[in-house]
Amino acid sequence: AQSVTQLGSHVSVSEGALVLLRCNYSSSVPPYLFWYVQYPNQGLQLLLKYTSAATLVKGINGFEAEFKKSETSFHLTKPSAHMSDAAEYFCAVSEGSASKIIFGSGTRLSIRP
Amino acid sequence: EAGVAQSPRYKIIEKRQSVAFWCNPISGHATLYWYQQILGQGPKLLIQFQNNGVVDDSQLPKDRFSAERLKGVDSTLKIQPAKLEDSAVYLCASNRKVAGNTGELFFGEGSRLTVL
Repeated sequence: AQSVTQLGSHVSVSEGALVLLRCNYSSSVPPYLFWYVQYPNQGLQLLLKYTSAATLVKGINGFEAEFKKSETSFHLTKPSAHMSDAAEYFCAVSEGSASKIIFGSGTRLSIRP
Repeated sequence: EAGVAQSPRYKIIEKRQSVAFWCNPISGHATLYWYQQILGQGPKLLIQFQNNGVVDDSQLPKDRFSAERLKGVDSTLKIQPAKLEDSAVYLCASNRKVAGNTGELFFGEGSRLTVL
């Protein structure tokens, strides 16, 4: 069965600094991987997804993630943090389009002025 | 296109009372999910429907939770009787689930339940 682990429940960075949110996954087959963002009192919104094409995936709002099979990782990065990036970020894994999507526990990103 | 609609947005009840949440997915989306998100945790899948059939309800506490999607469109999730630990946000999501679909979910804004 697939699973996902997000390292760090809370990350705080300064505005303009690099954002790095860590995600490791477990899957018995080549996975589909996702990052979702959740702003306060809102539902989850897809940031980006990996579906076995390019290993470096670019998403919305300047975020990107790199699929590393050898490390079973799918870390999310953004070169320069903006105040509007403050939110909860969830990594998720699926074992194919017919499989359910399993979410990690989330990482809350705070941005310091 | 219209997004996933959920109601009510907020509900406060006392333990042992009942509550129902409603979800209308994006038009044409065959698959519908209910997730439970407890404060500080990631969403946990409760039940997955494909059209009006249940695909996965392995994590649904069936002694108190029930869900239906009678006409393969909108869905209702019911809790009866509610317990304190049911306090959470109940998220509905949908996707098209056709060949080549990458499994991306579209979420509603959620229904926040507080059980006192």
